[in-house]
Amino acid sequence: DVKVTQSSRYLVKRTGEKVFLECVQDMDHENMFWYRQDPGLGLRLIYFSYDVKMKEKGDIPEGYSVSREKKERFSLILESASTNQTSMYLCASRGRLALSTDTQYFGPGTRLTVL
Amino acid sequence: EDQVTQSPEALRLQEGESSSLNCSYTVSGLRGLFWYRQDPGKGPEFLFTLYSAGEEKEKERLKATLTKKESFLHITAPKPEDSATYLCAVQAWTGNQFYFGTGTSLTVIP
Repeated sequence: DVKVTQSSRYLVKRTGEKVFLECVQDMDHENMFWYRQDPGLGLRLIYFSYDVKMKEKGDIPEGYSVSREKKERFSLILESASTNQTSMYLCASRGRLALSTDTQYFGPGTRLTVL
Repeated sequence: EDQVTQSPEALRLQEGESSSLNCSYTVSGLRGLFWYRQDPGKGPEFLFTLYSAGEEKEKERLKATLTKKESFLHITAPKPEDSATYLCAVQAWTGNQFYFGTGTSLTVIP
């Protein structure tokens, strides 16, 4: 069965802290994604990675960075957390584009609150 | 610009009252249209993928259809456990990105 896990369900941090969100998938997928979800705005893509050490900016990369050192793990980093980064963060993965039009599989989400 | 619009934003139905959710899209070459269900505080759960106009997929009380400009998610005789937010997303042939709508929040009242 498909499995995407995220390191925390709930996280509370202070303004200016460095925050790490981790995502792990067990499907040997090449592609991994980080989204944030806010009421009325839907899911917005922050970054995605199509291979180890490869990354591309999504629609809202400002204030975020990512790391993909191993195929199964994709980390989202908030270098200096701000209150406007309070949101639900969702990680997703999918197989290689050329071979599949398969869906993205989502993790359970991390609800981050920045005080 | 690739875009997805879902309507209505919210829908309240009596148990057993059938209805449809709409997903309108503009995309430069549709690779796939995806429907997801999302329960409060959880990640989206995959329901269907549709690839070409005229295609239909069914799962229990849900049926998804696709035209060249929109997709419908038909809910037949809904039950309270169908209450959730339903998300639609499209992927174009160019690029790896999915474009999501803002969802329809469905409430089914017993």
